[in-house]
Amino acid sequence: AQSVTQLGSHVSVSEGALVLLRCNYSSSVPPYLFWYVQYPNQGLQLLLKYTTGATLVKGINGFEAEFKKSETSFHLTKPSAHMSDAAEYFCAVRKFASKIIFGSGTRLSIRP
Amino acid sequence: DAGITQSPRHKVTETGTPVTLRCHQTENHRYMYWYRQDPGHGLRLIHYSYGVKDTDKGEVSDGYSVSRSKTEDFLLTLESATSSQTSVYFCAISEEGQSTTYNEQFFGPGTRLTVL
Repeated sequence: AQSVTQLGSHVSVSEGALVLLRCNYSSSVPPYLFWYVQYPNQGLQLLLKYTTGATLVKGINGFEAEFKKSETSFHLTKPSAHMSDAAEYFCAVRKFASKIIFGSGTRLSIRP
Repeated sequence: DAGITQSPRHKVTETGTPVTLRCHQTENHRYMYWYRQDPGHGLRLIHYSYGVKDTDKGEVSDGYSVSRSKTEDFLLTLESATSSQTSVYFCAISEEGQSTTYNEQFFGPGTRLTVL
C-alpha cells in the first residue's frame, strides 16, 4: 500500500537560508511523487513531480527534489529561502486509478 | 491556471440541513475528486469520479454523496450536515494517460463550510 510521511509539521528558517522539507514514502510499485504548495486561502498548486527518468527534479520558484529509491525519500529543497515561500507544502504519492495520497503537510515559516 | 471553479466559496449552515457544493471544470478532464482539508490531516479523499455517472468512494465517504451528470460538473452533497463536517473542501481534476504530463491533479480554490 502507498503512504506518505512528512517529517515536521512546522519548519522555520531565516530568509536566505536553506529550505529542507522531508518526505518519505512507501509504495509497492515504482512511485509517482509530487510536491504541492498551498498559499493562505488558496488551493494547491503543483511545485514539481517525479515520474520516471532523472532523479533530481526541478520545479517552480527555485525548488527541487531528489528521488532516492534506497532511502524511499523525496525531500524538497531550496538553496535560499524568500519571504514569499511561506506556505504549506504537501508531499504526495500516486496510488492507482489516478488517486493520490497526500501527506499531512509541513507549514514553512520564513524569519526576516 | 486550470479552469476549475467551486461554488459557493463560503457557506455557514446548521446541523441537520442538506448542503450541496459544486465543482465546475472547463478542461474536459475525465477524473474529478472531492477532498476535505483539516489541520493535521492533510487532504483526505471523499469521493471521486472517473467519468459521467461513474463514481467511487474515497477514504472518508461516510455522510457524503456525489453525482456527475456532465463531464464538467461534480456535485458533493451532505445529506444532513454535522459539525464534524466543518472543513475546507477542495475539488480537483486530472487526466489519465501514458504520457508523464498526465497524472497530476489540478485544484480548485476551495469552499469553506461551517456547520453550526
